Amino acid sequence: QVQLVQSGAEVKKPGASVKVSCKASGYTFTGYYMNWVRQAPGQGLEWMGWINPNSGGTNYAQEFQGRITMTRDTSISTAYMELSRLRYDDTAVYYCVRLDGYKYYWGQGMLVTVSS
Amino acid sequence: SYELTQPSSVSVSPGQTARITCSGDVLAKKSARWFQQKPGQAPMLVIYEDSERPSGIPERFSGSSSGTTVTLTISGAQVEDEADYYCYSAADNNHWVFGGGTKLTVL
Repeated sequence: QVQLVQSGAEVKKPGASVKVSCKASGYTFTGYYMNWVRQAPGQGLEWMGWINPNSGGTNYAQEFQGRITMTRDTSISTAYMELSRLRYDDTAVYYCVRLDGYKYYWGQGMLVTVSS
Repeated sequence: SYELTQPSSVSVSPGQTARITCSGDVLAKKSARWFQQKPGQAPMLVIYEDSERPSGIPERFSGSSSGTTVTLTISGAQVEDEADYYCYSAADNNHWVFGGGTKLTVL
């Protein structure tokens, strides 16, 4: 079965960077785009962008341009999302999401807390 | 960039019909999907292509579309339907756009 397993929670200081991993299993990793969505505490869903694991091509939401980098390592079926110059309002749960038609597969989410 | 606008909250009594709207220019040319999210859980798709229901979703969930507005209807809402609901559409170049979310209270 499809599984997306994300890395554990992290606490970062303002201005630092965080790299979130998402290890895929149960399907051909290079066959499906990987999206990233975040949700701040008590807030709504926010799409961050996607990566094509086959080509490495990316597409980022305008709000994150210049601060976000999505990469992948096909040898270990893992996608990464790195967000730099962290601010307090980047505190959120970060999800990787795979879409197959109308079927969505979500990672368990990773809490990133930005605190001094 | 595209925006989707939802009411922040909707409240109904059990057995009543709940309607949640979502408006945005992108909906004139792109279909909408609806997610249900309960506390501590990842979102779950309840409607796709404006009005299609994934397998396993109760028949009381339905969707409709008119112009730049889509509506999620829960006919005979139950207590377990209490959750946050998000509309969503894929704009040009597969940019996802989420509505701000609607908190549905059933009591």
